[in-house]
Amino acid sequence: DTGVSQDPRHKITKRGQNVTFRCDPISEHNRLYWYRQTLGQGPEFLTYFQNEAQLEKSRLLSDRFSAERPKGSFSTLEIQRTEQGDSAMYLCASRPDGDSNIQYFGAGTRLSVL
Amino acid sequence: AQRVTQPEKLLSVFKGAPVELKCNYSYSGSPELFWYVQYSRQRLQLLLRHISRESIKGFTADLNKGETSFHLKKPFAQEEDSAMYYCALSGGNQFYFGTGTSLTVIP
Repeated sequence: DTGVSQDPRHKITKRGQNVTFRCDPISEHNRLYWYRQTLGQGPEFLTYFQNEAQLEKSRLLSDRFSAERPKGSFSTLEIQRTEQGDSAMYLCASRPDGDSNIQYFGAGTRLSVL
Repeated sequence: AQRVTQPEKLLSVFKGAPVELKCNYSYSGSPELFWYVQYSRQRLQLLLRHISRESIKGFTADLNKGETSFHLKKPFAQEEDSAMYYCALSGGNQFYFGTGTSLTVIP
C-alpha cells in the first residue's frame, strides 16, 4: 500500500471546461476528505465521505463542484465550468473508522485554469 | 465560528535555539487539535495531536483551553526541522487548518 493516491498530479485547463480528479484512499479507510489549498493558505475543507455516503459539505462549496464515492472506495471530484479562481491544489485524505482522527494525505492535484 | 490562527507566516531560528510556533483556535465545543508538517517536496503528514500527549521528533504541544492555544515547541531546533507547519482542529466531521508557518532553521 503506497498511501493515498491522487490522479492526475497536474491539470491545466481552459476556463469554462470541466475537470475531474480521482482519489484512491488507503485500503480499508472508510472515511475520505477533499480539501482545496491556495497559495499562502492552509487546506480548506470541501467535503467528507463515510463509505459511499457524503456526510458533510462545506457551505463555501460552489454548485459547480460535485464529489462522488460510488462504491465506498475511490472518490472523484468534478468541477464544472472552471473559473480562474478554481486554480489551486486539491488534496484528498483518508482515515480509518475508530477513535483515531489521524488523516493521511495524498500528494494532491494541482489545477491551473487559464 | 470555528477558526485556527497561526500569527507567524515565517519564522527563522538558528540551529540549537528553541523554537515555538504559535496556534490559537476558536471552537464552540471540545475540539481535537493537531500539528501537521509538510517537508519540501513531500505530502502533508501528521506531526502530533493533543490527545496522545507525546513528543515527536523532539516537538511537544500542550492544549491550553483557557487561552485556546496549542503552541508547538522544541527546545533545540535542527536543520531538518525546516518545513511548513500547520495547526489543525477537528470538530464534528470537519477539519480546520491554519494558514501555516514556514520554519527555517539557520545552520
